[in-house]
Amino acid sequence: EVQLLESGGGLVQPGGSLRLSCAVSGFTFSNYAMNWVRQAPGMGLEWVSGMSGGDDSAFYADSVKGRFTISRDNSKNTLFLQMNRLRADDVAVYYCAKGIYRSWWSGGWFDAWGQGTLVTVSS
Amino acid sequence: EIVVTQSPGTLSLSPGERATLSCRASQSLSSDYVAWYQLKPGQAPRLLVYGASIRATGIPDRFSGRGSGTDFTLTISRLEPEDFAVYYCQQYGSSPPYTFGQGTKLQIK
Repeated sequence: EVQLLESGGGLVQPGGSLRLSCAVSGFTFSNYAMNWVRQAPGMGLEWVSGMSGGDDSAFYADSVKGRFTISRDNSKNTLFLQMNRLRADDVAVYYCAKGIYRSWWSGGWFDAWGQGTLVTVSS
Repeated sequence: EIVVTQSPGTLSLSPGERATLSCRASQSLSSDYVAWYQLKPGQAPRLLVYGASIRATGIPDRFSGRGSGTDFTLTISRLEPEDFAVYYCQQYGSSPPYTFGQGTKLQIK
């Protein structure tokens, strides 16, 4: 059974940092692109960042470029999102989502998601 | 960037009724690169349909998707109590590749 479990969310002050993790099981992690998607309160889904399975290719939404860094440890089946310079508009539930191809550039839908972790930015 | 617009924003129906959710892309999608997801509070989003019309594994056949070009629909033929949720469509065929609509909330009338 495919499982994704996010952790690392919490309350942080504006300008602060958080590191989210997504531990996965049930599939060969290195064979698939992975993504972070967020949902702000009362808003829709927003793709945040993605990373290919077999290399270090990483991609970001304009809203987080230069502040967030996605990474993965294929030996530990874990995806990360380092979030720096957090702002009020980063408040959201952050989901990790599995792509269906190894290369992020191949596109495709997300066939498995975690339950999300809440990030709150407030002083 | 392709903008995805869903309608209606909220749909109020009763169990047993038919629900039709719409999704429109700002540009024609060269292939049927549309997926639909169901979100319930506190749960992981669930893939319902991909390729505009292909049901994901384990999805009941009361869910069906169709469409091409810029207009896509998700139909739930007979609503069950567990179907009341928020539904998102996503286009995944262009750059940026992962554009979601703003969602349709399906609520009990």
